[in-house]
Amino acid sequence: DAGVIQSPRHEVTEMGQEVTLRCKPISGHDYLFWYRQTMMRGLELLIYFNNNVPIDDSGMPEDRFSAKMPNASFSTLKIQPSEPRDSAVYFCASRKGQGREETQYFGPGTRLLVL
Amino acid sequence: SQQGEEDPQALSIQEGENATMNCSYKTSINNLQWYRQNSGRGLVHLILIRSNEREKHSGRLRVTLDTSKKSSSLLITASRAADTASYFCATDGTGANNLFFGTGTRLTVIP
Repeated sequence: DAGVIQSPRHEVTEMGQEVTLRCKPISGHDYLFWYRQTMMRGLELLIYFNNNVPIDDSGMPEDRFSAKMPNASFSTLKIQPSEPRDSAVYFCASRKGQGREETQYFGPGTRLLVL
Repeated sequence: SQQGEEDPQALSIQEGENATMNCSYKTSINNLQWYRQNSGRGLVHLILIRSNEREKHSGRLRVTLDTSKKSSSLLITASRAADTASYFCATDGTGANNLFFGTGTRLTVIP
């Protein structure tokens, strides 16, 4: 398996623009997580899905952020409109099974810079 | 917040030395995991220790867990330059289906 795939790897945009980050989880994994990593706040969970259904979105910072999972092999995280404080590395991770001992597999991340 | 905290924030050692990183957390857990992150990459799972375990080994890694102190340590023996990375502890928290990551320890192993 190719692992978790994220695109784009790097994104530079101007304030006010819409940004869409994409994730393809590992085939067969039924949990998908979106994280944001910054120097100041570390790694924060934004939202996670189980079987394509959003379970907990309490980490989504504002209404400007939205996430979808239309099918088991694709998820998007959208920021509209983007702001400079959204600059961070965004990770997608997937996991198989509900057991708490299951490992999360992380993608390489999307490095977002909002000017 | 359930987020853990690693100590130290940064650690620099010579190749061949042992590296010890500590993690403290706030709530009851079912298990604790350690992840590694190379610069510019995603996190990679290293090892998991259950709440009823006190010590676990995997290759050059040794993890301890003290639930009474809500703390864990990760020991890397005979470090190599390739061990240079950031190391994070992650806890599940009872009833939670997601992980809560600590702030990370940045380890530099000097050849």
